[in-house]
Amino acid sequence: GAGVSQSPSNKVTEKGKDVELRCDPISGHTALYWYRQSLGQGLEFLIYFQGNSAPDKSGLPSDRFSAERTGGSVSTLTIQRTQQEDSAVYLCASSQQGGSSYNEQFFGPGTRLTVL
Amino acid sequence: ILNVEQSPQSLHVQEGDSTNFTCSFPSSNFYALHWYRWETAKSPEALFVMTLNGDEKKKGRISATLNTKEGYSYLYIKGSQPEDSATYLCAFYNFNKFYFGSGTKLNVKP
Repeated sequence: GAGVSQSPSNKVTEKGKDVELRCDPISGHTALYWYRQSLGQGLEFLIYFQGNSAPDKSGLPSDRFSAERTGGSVSTLTIQRTQQEDSAVYLCASSQQGGSSYNEQFFGPGTRLTVL
Repeated sequence: ILNVEQSPQSLHVQEGDSTNFTCSFPSSNFYALHWYRWETAKSPEALFVMTLNGDEKKKGRISATLNTKEGYSYLYIKGSQPEDSATYLCAFYNFNKFYFGSGTKLNVKP
């Protein structure tokens, strides 16, 4: 079956512009995570959605970052007024059930964001 | 923020060598540790989900062990092949979140 997909694969934007990154999780997966990897750093947790519950936004680095998940499926990560330090690879992952330590995550290919 | 550390940061071995690397994590409130392999230009893929102290998991030439009391996991690769070249990530699960280490980048030379 289809895996997790993300779009765009690459995004170059100017400082101050807004960007939207999209994630299509595996069908039937109720949990969805967003991470980012800045140059030389590990994967950093951003936000977690589980079904219809309120998302865990504790990893969002500033109020310029927001995310939503419509209909329990597709998710969009929005970064407003982008800064150069937002340049990173943004990864989305889904799993069968959130809140469970046993379920492996399935990752998308990522979006490489470059802010000039 | 929970501290998950991996060592070494990078590793260069010859084809046929066996190798191992370490993931260190908090020893309290353990639920699970995941290992992922991330090849260049691909998505991270799950290798193992480890949940019990003393767990040993194996997949082909790759195996992993877990010590939750002292807070570490080892990943072993026997007879490394060039296709094993990738970054290996561990992730510590805690209250719905995964805390990733920065990874060990393995390069296997033919």
